[in-house]
Amino acid sequence: DTQMTQSASSLSASVGDRVTITCQASHDIDKYLSWYQQKPGKAPKLLIYDASNLETGVPSRFSGSGSGTDFTFTISSLQPEDIATYYCQQYDNLPLTFGGGTKVEIK
Amino acid sequence: QVQLQESGPGLVKPSETLSLTCAVAAYSISSGNYWGWIRQSPGRGLEWIGSIYHTGTADYNASLKSRVTISLDMSKNQFSLKLTSVTAADTAVYYCARSGPTVLTGLDYWGQGALVIVSS
Repeated sequence: DTQMTQSASSLSASVGDRVTITCQASHDIDKYLSWYQQKPGKAPKLLIYDASNLETGVPSRFSGSGSGTDFTFTISSLQPEDIATYYCQQYDNLPLTFGGGTKVEIK
Repeated sequence: QVQLQESGPGLVKPSETLSLTCAVAAYSISSGNYWGWIRQSPGRGLEWIGSIYHTGTADYNASLKSRVTISLDMSKNQFSLKLTSVTAADTAVYYCARSGPTVLTGLDYWGQGALVIVSS
């Protein structure tokens, strides 16, 4: 199985800050990575697919980059409504696997 | 807007079978997508259980394959999950979700989730 590692389980930032979350795959997964946002009591929401493509309707302050084993998710200017847990997920091979999540909080 | 809704018992006894159904609205499950089940628990995080194509072809997580069956009901536009011989470790929120035309894609629409507790 491809293990997905999000090194930070949580982070704290101020409104307006640039926030960066990293995800590392245990094997080369090319560009086959998605990022999700999950708010308490809700299902995950797809934000980014193929590592850097923004899902329709998602604000442009969200972006993704990377390929191979190292990936980055960025919020260019943190907003109060961005408080959530963010997950990466690989779909290069089965089983589909998710990172452990990074909880973003307001400082 | 595609909508998915899980339903089923919220409490299952150990050793029994967990059964959940996902009703899909505003989109035909025969349209060429994969339809999957994912669960989430504090101990295991997000875990993909398996996915099924509109042809009935299914892929399962090897860790659960011996206990899992996913099936389609085209007449009701829904798909189902059965997980046999459950234990407390199967307690989780179970989500259904839509994938793209292959199982190797992201999951773009999710149900709200169904909490299933395994307890006697």
